[in-house]
Amino acid sequence: DTEVTQTPKHLVMGMTNKKSLKCEQHMGHRAMYWYKQKAKKPPELMFVYSYEKLSINESVPSRFSPECPNSSLLNLHLHALQPEDSALYLCASSQGTGDNQPQHFGDGTRLSIL
Amino acid sequence: GQNIDQPTEMTATEGAIVQINCTYQTSGFNGLFWYQQHAGEAPTFLSYNVLDGLEEKGRFSSFLSRSKGYSYLLLKELQMKDSASYLCAVSSTDSWGKLQFGAGTQVVVTP
Repeated sequence: DTEVTQTPKHLVMGMTNKKSLKCEQHMGHRAMYWYKQKAKKPPELMFVYSYEKLSINESVPSRFSPECPNSSLLNLHLHALQPEDSALYLCASSQGTGDNQPQHFGDGTRLSIL
Repeated sequence: GQNIDQPTEMTATEGAIVQINCTYQTSGFNGLFWYQQHAGEAPTFLSYNVLDGLEEKGRFSSFLSRSKGYSYLLLKELQMKDSASYLCAVSSTDSWGKLQFGAGTQVVVTP
């Protein structure tokens, strides 16, 4: 069990679909992250939100659109994805971005693009 | 940029000790984290080092030498459940909020 909750756990979608991944934490953390992880590879950072503002975008294609509605929630909106986008998408949170507190990860959403 | 190296795979017997090495090159070093990840699960935080020396947490210990750009994670009294991938991750003041992960070391514990 983790304190970062992600839904759905699994998602299968076509290349023309629009879907959203959701992430929630109630630890009072002010930094939230999206990572993409392929099999047998380390997590790759996609986005960082600090105090609900986007602070890092790792040159992610615009078909991925993050949103941080409030300090507890983080969404990732998906549109017109490609088969190579199939991966495990991990959300993480930490107390801040500059204090070197560990990031706590959710269990991830396993995404398959048909 | 950052360059992080760790072995791809290590195999050890139940009850034994395994040491996973991690070397890194980075400017603005600001700490090193170790995470454990079981297949299909989230990475879980194990340890953090920012000063030289050894940090001990039960069966797991982590060591850091900043001058050598070197860390290791020591797993003692190995159990079958310790079979997992172990990720070394470095934080840098050059990019606040960004953890650079190594490729991970797959530890296989055999009976």
